[in-house]
Amino acid sequence: GAVVSQHPSWVICKSGTSVKIECRSLDFQATTMFWYRQFPKQSLMLMATSNEGSKATYEQGVEKDKFLINHASLTLSTLTVTSAHPEDSSFYICSARGLSSYNEQFFGPGTRLTVL
Amino acid sequence: QKEVEQDPGPLSVPEGAIVSLNCTYSNSAFQYFMWYRQYSRKGPELLMYTYSSGNKEDGRFTAQVDKSSKYISLFIRDSQPSDSATYLCAMSVRYGQNFVFGPGTRLSVLP
Repeated sequence: GAVVSQHPSWVICKSGTSVKIECRSLDFQATTMFWYRQFPKQSLMLMATSNEGSKATYEQGVEKDKFLINHASLTLSTLTVTSAHPEDSSFYICSARGLSSYNEQFFGPGTRLTVL
Repeated sequence: QKEVEQDPGPLSVPEGAIVSLNCTYSNSAFQYFMWYRQYSRKGPELLMYTYSSGNKEDGRFTAQVDKSSKYISLFIRDSQPSDSATYLCAMSVRYGQNFVFGPGTRLSVLP
């Protein structure tokens, strides 16, 4: 089956620093990758959608300059949380969609970010 | 009104029980319906995928879609403690379009 990995699985950082999270599709080419945010006991909230080689499309209310998304290849997308603050602490999950599974998203295991 | 609604639970059942999980939605244009299972601190995994109305069965899991009532269900037979997780419904209007997720229902199956 399609496998999506995320790195790191958890990260703790100081307020004001930037954190980069990687999302990789290991055995398929991901034409589209999605970034979600999930607070405890709440559902997934889509932050942005990125197509390989294009600028990401952000959902309403998501700051483009704070959450930088890069989808430079068909197997890698990165989310950089810039100048992180404690309110950015959350569970960040990526998912990927390939050409052969156009209506299915495969999720990564998530990255837990804690900003002190 | 939220676009997709689910009872957040928690829902606790004894091992072996039949579990019924449900979602209601407001957008009658939804045609593709998915159920995901998410264990604590893990990413969601796809359980069932259905198109339009009808039933679909896969092992102990059965998904039902009633578009006239804008209501979908996931049934789990012979529930096991390993089924304890949060179950998320998701749906989309067109093939390949972004999903809209429900808030999820937390299920605990007690041994």
